[in-house]
Amino acid sequence: DAKTTQPNSMESNEEEPVHLPCNHSTISGTDYIHWYRQLPSQGPEYVIHGLTSNVNNRMASLAIAEDRKSSTLILHRATLRDAAVYYCILRDRWYGGSQGNLIFGKGTKLSVKP
Amino acid sequence: GAVVSQHPSWVICKSGTSVKIECRSLDFQATTMFWYRQFPKQSLMLMATSNEGSKATYEQGVEKDKFLINHASLTLSTLTVTSAHPEDSSFYICSASISRRGGGTEAFFGQGTRLTVV
Repeated sequence: DAKTTQPNSMESNEEEPVHLPCNHSTISGTDYIHWYRQLPSQGPEYVIHGLTSNVNNRMASLAIAEDRKSSTLILHRATLRDAAVYYCILRDRWYGGSQGNLIFGKGTKLSVKP
Repeated sequence: GAVVSQHPSWVICKSGTSVKIECRSLDFQATTMFWYRQFPKQSLMLMATSNEGSKATYEQGVEKDKFLINHASLTLSTLTVTSAHPEDSSFYICSASISRRGGGTEAFFGQGTRLTVV
């Protein structure tokens, strides 16, 4: 799997937008960009994923650069419950079954200040 | 959405005893489940891939005789830490993936099990 690079940590104020960057310069044409987050003492949870176009869901938005070498996870209004480690992970679209595991980097630890 | 349930959430055991952790897919069938381990302030590391009806596949450096995996049904995988030692104290997490239409997979994770060996 192609490697991703994320800042170790970021801080945000409550109710302000947060932009979490991820660089993936070696991404292949069939790699999906996935974001997961892990709240303290919990298992990771899915946030969003995309291939080429920007994506929106109830949790966040994903902005993907035109060359796909970077992406940004956008939390529109951070809350205290958004404090977590956010992981940007690339997965080939054909991976599944016994190859469906995720390879986690160190992620970005997001702190949200009230 | 799909749910993966893990039990227990935490367990404390004495050194030398064995501990079993269960991972269930509640509303979907999972022929493959994954077991991760996470030490404090570190990321998740894949330990093994659990395959329904066949032997598990272990990552390099993970002792298969110490971490016994059983995947007897399409909704249940168990991880047994045998002869546990304090260095086995960690956060153990299971997951299962679902393939999405149009490509890509989505992974669902259990709540994790905090194992403390004293």
